[in-house]
Amino acid sequence: KQEVTQIPAALSVPEGENLVLNCSFTDSAIYNLQWFRQDPGKGLTSLLLIQSSQREQTSGRLNASLDKSSGRSTLYIAASQPGDSATYLCATHRGSTLGRLYFGRGTQLTVWP
Amino acid sequence: DVKVTQSSRYLVKRTGEKVFLECVQDMDHENMFWYRQDPGLGLRLIYFSYDVKMKEKGDIPEGYSVSREKKERFSLILESASTNQTSMYLCASSSGQGAQKPQHFGDGTRLSIL
Repeated sequence: KQEVTQIPAALSVPEGENLVLNCSFTDSAIYNLQWFRQDPGKGLTSLLLIQSSQREQTSGRLNASLDKSSGRSTLYIAASQPGDSATYLCATHRGSTLGRLYFGRGTQLTVWP
Repeated sequence: DVKVTQSSRYLVKRTGEKVFLECVQDMDHENMFWYRQDPGLGLRLIYFSYDVKMKEKGDIPEGYSVSREKKERFSLILESASTNQTSMYLCASSSGQGAQKPQHFGDGTRLSIL
């Protein structure tokens, strides 16, 4: 079974800081890793998906990296803004599990002005 | 854009009732999923389906069943609702076999069982 851990559980930073969210997983036989954002009371919005053959994916101020051998992924947010405040979750997909994802419990990010 | 629509944002039901949660996606996705999300426990997979009339148990299927009669619709059924099924329920879909494509989520249904 895949276990996904996210550290820290919560993070509070002033606006403008660059920050890193961490995700680790126990089974490195993954097809890809996906980062999501969840606003309070809402569903999940897909931010980035990194295939196992890739090392990085970028979207605007977001950059996600993947190191399969060490079982780690990081989400880097540049020049954080109050609108980035949300919970960020990572999830992985294992080899023959028909598309199901294994989720971490998320990092709750607060960016204050 | 992919649209995953859950029929209700908020739902209040009574213990013992049979409850139906509906999910519809408009992108012809093969795979559909039902999760529940609880504070401190994260997202847990209840059931998923990779084709019409196909279903697979997730991690916590007890007390639930599902139905997928059409490709675009995946229903979660609480056979006899209990208070411990009070939760946020999230539906998701993705395309293709395997996991090369991202999962897309609906806005969730917050279900309260009284």
